[in-house]
Amino acid sequence: AQRVTQPEKLLSVFKGAPVELKCNYSYSGSPELFWYVQYSRQRLQLLLRHISRESIKGFTADLNKGETSFHLKKPFAQEEDSAMYYCALIPLSGGYQKVTFGTGTKLQVIP
Amino acid sequence: GAGVSQSPSNKVTEKGKDVELRCDPISGHTALYWYRQRLGQGLEFLIYFQGNSAPDKSGLPSDRFSAERTGESVSTLTIQRTQQEDSAVYLCASSLGGGSGYTFGSGTRLTVV
Repeated sequence: AQRVTQPEKLLSVFKGAPVELKCNYSYSGSPELFWYVQYSRQRLQLLLRHISRESIKGFTADLNKGETSFHLKKPFAQEEDSAMYYCALIPLSGGYQKVTFGTGTKLQVIP
Repeated sequence: GAGVSQSPSNKVTEKGKDVELRCDPISGHTALYWYRQRLGQGLEFLIYFQGNSAPDKSGLPSDRFSAERTGESVSTLTIQRTQQEDSAVYLCASSLGGGSGYTFGSGTRLTVV
């Protein structure tokens, strides 16, 4: 069974400081990893997925299979980045492709 | 439709009453999830539908909760004899499956008084 761990429930950083939201996973096969974001009073939305290797709103995430991590990073935090962030995994191997979400990290950017 | 639609957006009910929440997924999306999100908490998985396969009901918290989906269309989540601890936002998400990302609805905020 797969598991996604987000060790920090709350992360507070100052505006302009670097941000790293941690995500570790356990899955024996080949995963697809995602980051979702939920801004205040808005619906959950996809931020980025590892397979597309894109940068969205200045955020990037690299899949490290050796460390089984998919940390979300941004070099300079902005106030509008304050939100709840969820890491998610979908198994690509095998027939059962149920998504697993982490418990989420609340990012608070202090002005 | 263009996105995942949930109704009602808000529901206030008296303790002990039954409620039914509706989710209209994106047309063609074979996978559909229900989640619960309590105030200030993360996502709590409830149930997963994938095509015509038997649903994964492993997240339903009690037998008061049930969900149905007809084919690859609308899903309804029913909570019988509601309790105050059922108060939360109930989120629905759908996907094409096969590693595609999920699109979430805006949720139904349920308040049990």
